[in-house]
Amino acid sequence: GAGVSQSPSNKVTEKGKDVELRCDPISGHTALYWYRQSLGQGLEFLIYFQGNSAPDKSGLPSDRFSAERTGGSVSTLTIQRTQQEDSAVYLCASSLVGQGGVDTQYFGPGTRLTVL
Amino acid sequence: EDKVVQSPLSLVVHEGDTVTLNCSYEVTNFRSLLWYKQEKKAPTFLFMLTSSGIEKKSGRLSSILDKKELFSILNITATQTGDSAIYLCAVEGHAGNNRKLIWGLGTSLAVNP
Repeated sequence: GAGVSQSPSNKVTEKGKDVELRCDPISGHTALYWYRQSLGQGLEFLIYFQGNSAPDKSGLPSDRFSAERTGGSVSTLTIQRTQQEDSAVYLCASSLVGQGGVDTQYFGPGTRLTVL
Repeated sequence: EDKVVQSPLSLVVHEGDTVTLNCSYEVTNFRSLLWYKQEKKAPTFLFMLTSSGIEKKSGRLSSILDKKELFSILNITATQTGDSAIYLCAVEGHAGNNRKLIWGLGTSLAVNP
């Protein structure tokens, strides 16, 4: 596609359930990033992929959060045993070069997660 | 600790006014500073700045970086209601092989007719 896409656009879940968020980056972009934005907060970095590997997972808030990327393209962010504080907008971005390069990140529309 | 601070946090102006948004930073191994406009959920890219003193312009928007004083400004002239948004500043830094963007909290701009 022309831009970064994410699905679902909205997700409402009950506390304790697992959720999977999907990101389709721009074709050919090697770098992929996950962020989240909680109400009143700035964007919080979660994880960075270069190809299929994740050299920087330092932003994942707990071991309930995991992410993978397959085929150097689609990425899924999984949150297990969701908590109410996980409620946020989860944004995915991709960039052409990533590590070692200075390039622009292009953002998807985000997934709004609400944990009841 | 790396940080990016934007000011003001919010701003209300009338159409036609000129606004200046500020972004100061302390980031390890600075690589670039980026400005984004966020209207709904996802920010849209405005500018990337890597060199001091070189102004970047796009229509009524312009931005400049001062790497000595560690700040950038985003100017919007002749504001319009469509400029109402949150303006985000992010600074890219790196430590070893890791790179990340450090984000400010944004400036919420409201342009009234």
